[in-house]
Amino acid sequence: TQLLEQSPQFLSIQEGENLTVYCNSSSVFSSLQWYRQEPGEGPVLLVTVVTGGEVKKLKRLTFQFGDARKDSSLHITAAQPGDTGLYLCAGAPSNTGKLIFGQGTTLQVKP
Amino acid sequence: NAGVTQTPKFRVLKTGQSMTLLCAQDMNHEYMYWYRQDPGMGLRLIHYSVGEGTTAKGEVPDGYNVSRLKKQNFLLGLESAAPSQTSVYFCASSYPIGQPQHFGDGTRLSIL
Repeated sequence: TQLLEQSPQFLSIQEGENLTVYCNSSSVFSSLQWYRQEPGEGPVLLVTVVTGGEVKKLKRLTFQFGDARKDSSLHITAAQPGDTGLYLCAGAPSNTGKLIFGQGTTLQVKP
Repeated sequence: NAGVTQTPKFRVLKTGQSMTLLCAQDMNHEYMYWYRQDPGMGLRLIHYSVGEGTTAKGEVPDGYNVSRLKKQNFLLGLESAAPSQTSVYFCASSYPIGQPQHFGDGTRLSIL
């Protein structure tokens, strides 16, 4: 069974702080996706990383795909209350068309 | 653009009752998926479909059935609801081969 382990599961920080969320696996993935989910809504795609070592930036969010394509990280700089939500990583193993989701990281940013 | 639409949004059932959750997408996607989301467990795949008329089992298929009679619709059925099926159900669609998935807003289902 291919698993994606996210850490931490919960994170509560003050506005302006930096944070990093990790997504790790023992398996290789052809790509990794990061989603953000707000209460009462479905997950919404933030970014897809496909190349080992790839770094993508989305405003204050920086996503990195590990060189071996087994792990990824999401770094948020100067977090804002609007960043509050559930962050999910998802991997596509061997182009099966199916995604495997991590258990999610719940982020709370206090003003 | 509607994207992925799920109905109903909320439902309460008694143990043993049956119901069907409806999912419709207007993006002409080939792949459609049904997930359940439970606290601390992320999203778990129930069934999926790679095209009209085809379905396949996911990670947690027991107690559920699906049908994809039209490309734009994917139905999830519970024949005899059990309390363990209390969850939030999400439908998603995508182009093939691990492409980003587009999600509906979920159906919150409680089984008493």
